[in-house]
Amino acid sequence: GQSLEQPSEVTAVEGAIVQINCTYQTSGFYGLSWYQQHDGGAPTFLSYNALDGLEETGRFSSFLSRSDSYGYLLLQELQMKDSASYFCAVRGGGPGRGSTLGRLYFGRGTQLTVWP
Amino acid sequence: DSGVTQTPKHLITATGQRVTLRCSPRSGDLSVYWYQQSLDQGLQFLIQYYNGEERAKGNILERFSAQQFPDLHSELNLSSLELGDSALYFCASRTDANTGELFFGEGSRLTVL
Repeated sequence: GQSLEQPSEVTAVEGAIVQINCTYQTSGFYGLSWYQQHDGGAPTFLSYNALDGLEETGRFSSFLSRSDSYGYLLLQELQMKDSASYFCAVRGGGPGRGSTLGRLYFGRGTQLTVWP
Repeated sequence: DSGVTQTPKHLITATGQRVTLRCSPRSGDLSVYWYQQSLDQGLQFLIQYYNGEERAKGNILERFSAQQFPDLHSELNLSSLELGDSALYFCASRTDANTGELFFGEGSRLTVL
């Protein structure tokens, strides 16, 4: 079957580091993306890993291990504004028909709360 | 601002009715995606169009249909609405086919009473 697993909630304090894990089981896989969504707003793209290893973009880093079907998003120097939902998404996965090349299959999201 | 425009932002209607949601992708983007997000749920893929043609279909209900027009805007039609169809409906477009980056609109919040 197809599945994407990530924790439902994570809490941390300002200035801390938090890691949000994502494990996946999909029929197709081209890469793993991460998105941020504030309270019902538009999801915004954070990062994409097609190959194994770590990608760093400012305070955010993302890691992928294709052999383990596992990835994580690392958020450093947390700020209050980082409180949001974070979604991992597999490119090429998910149920359905037709081309999988551009399709993104999203997990249920992790609600991150940053406390002062 | 992602450059993807969705209308209406909010819509309240009754069960059994039909609504149409509209999306204009980013300038130059040929792909349009529709996603449904129910309360505390992830984004469920509905359907993808590329340059006017259906490219992929997810778990979209038969009561739902979509199309992409020659000017590349897209419409999602939801008919025989049920209470459970209340959700946020997002449209997204894509520039680079080889990345996992989609640009999402602000969404249309549908409430079925």
